[in-house]
Amino acid sequence: GQQLNQSPQSMFIQEGEDVSMNCTSSSIFNTWLWYKQEPGEGPVLLIALYKAGELTSNGRLTAQFGITRKDSFLNISASIPSDVGIYFCAGRNFGNEKLTFGTGTRLTIIP
Amino acid sequence: NAGVTQTPKFQVLKTGQSMTLQCAQDMNHNSMYWYRQDPGMGLRLIYYSASEGTTDKGEVPNGYNVSRLNKREFSLRLESAAPSQTSVYFCASGTGLFYEQYFGPGTRLTVT
Repeated sequence: GQQLNQSPQSMFIQEGEDVSMNCTSSSIFNTWLWYKQEPGEGPVLLIALYKAGELTSNGRLTAQFGITRKDSFLNISASIPSDVGIYFCAGRNFGNEKLTFGTGTRLTIIP
Repeated sequence: NAGVTQTPKFQVLKTGQSMTLQCAQDMNHNSMYWYRQDPGMGLRLIYYSASEGTTDKGEVPNGYNVSRLNKREFSLRLESAAPSQTSVYFCASGTGLFYEQYFGPGTRLTVT
């Protein structure tokens, strides 16, 4: 099955740094979602994007729906220790109840 | 609201044993989903149910069966467990025009 390509696969940053990650697809999507998963937990929805070009924020997190509809970006500003986890993107085509998930970006904060 | 709940949280099975994973949601969502998550593989869809009374195969349905018992509950059954089914299983539910999905805490299954 199709999966979305996320990059980078992993990131090691220092507390206070900004983080950028992206997700690309060979197909067009009508909805992009960003999830965060902490160890031993299920993924938690962070941000949902519904229109090409849309920019949406949730606290220190900002996500963008790419103009081509084939990509999406997530930025985290001024990272803190609780940002540690795996970030997944997911895309959905209109009329399809199923999501296609990315392979995840693992974020580690170096003390 | 509890959201999406799953039982059990952990399970160890021997090869050939059967078991049912339970999932319930209290958000009045129409759609429910079962995923498995393996290291480096992301989330892969096993089965889903777009509404009460309907179920459809996902990406990796072999070795599994599902039942949409009512609008709230969606169970996943392993009839004869195999070591390849060792994984973390997540249930999710979703609704609305854009079908955002909300996940449960997962069941960690080991088959020996």
